[in-house]
Amino acid sequence: AQSVTQLGSHVSVSEGALVLLRCNYSSSVPPYLFWYVQYPNQGLQLLLKYTSAATLVKGINGFEAEFKKSETSFHLTKPSAHMSDAAEYFCAVRTSAGGKLIFGQGTELSVKP
Amino acid sequence: NAGVTQTPKFQVLKTGQSMTLQCAQDMNHEYMSWYRQDPGMGLRLIHYSVGAGITDQGEVPNGYNVSRSTTEDFPLRLLSAAPSQTSVYFCASRRFGAFTGHVGTEAFFGQGTRLTVV
Repeated sequence: AQSVTQLGSHVSVSEGALVLLRCNYSSSVPPYLFWYVQYPNQGLQLLLKYTSAATLVKGINGFEAEFKKSETSFHLTKPSAHMSDAAEYFCAVRTSAGGKLIFGQGTELSVKP
Repeated sequence: NAGVTQTPKFQVLKTGQSMTLQCAQDMNHEYMSWYRQDPGMGLRLIHYSVGAGITDQGEVPNGYNVSRSTTEDFPLRLLSAAPSQTSVYFCASRRFGAFTGHVGTEAFFGQGTRLTVV
């Protein structure tokens, strides 16, 4: 069965600093991987997705993630944090087109001025 | 195009009461699902459906029932609410890849229902 682990329930960065949110997955077959963002009192919004095309995936708002099969990782990065990036971020995995979407525990990102 | 619509946004129930959380989508998505979100636990799948008339259990189905009589609607029923069901509930929908050829399609989420059981 597939699973997702997000390292760090809370990450704090300064405005302009690099954002790195870690995600490791477990899957016996090639996965589809997703990052979602949730702003306070909102639903989840897709940031980016990996579907076995390019291993470096670019998403919205300047975020990107790299699929590394050897490390079973799909870490989310952004070169320069903005105050508006403060939110909760969820990594999710699915192993087939019809499969269930399994979420990690979430990482809350704080951005300090 | 409204996307995924959940009602109500907020609800307070007394222990033992029943209620239905509504979810509707207008994107003709085959796949719909319900999640609950609790602090430190991410989103956990309650029930899901791959099409009208077909439902299945997710990770935490106990205490919840679902049905799928139409493609558009996927209500979640709490038959006898318990304080452990206090949570934020999200409905999501997406294309079902096996039928449409769309692989890796993302899920679209509703705005959530914040439920408190006292």
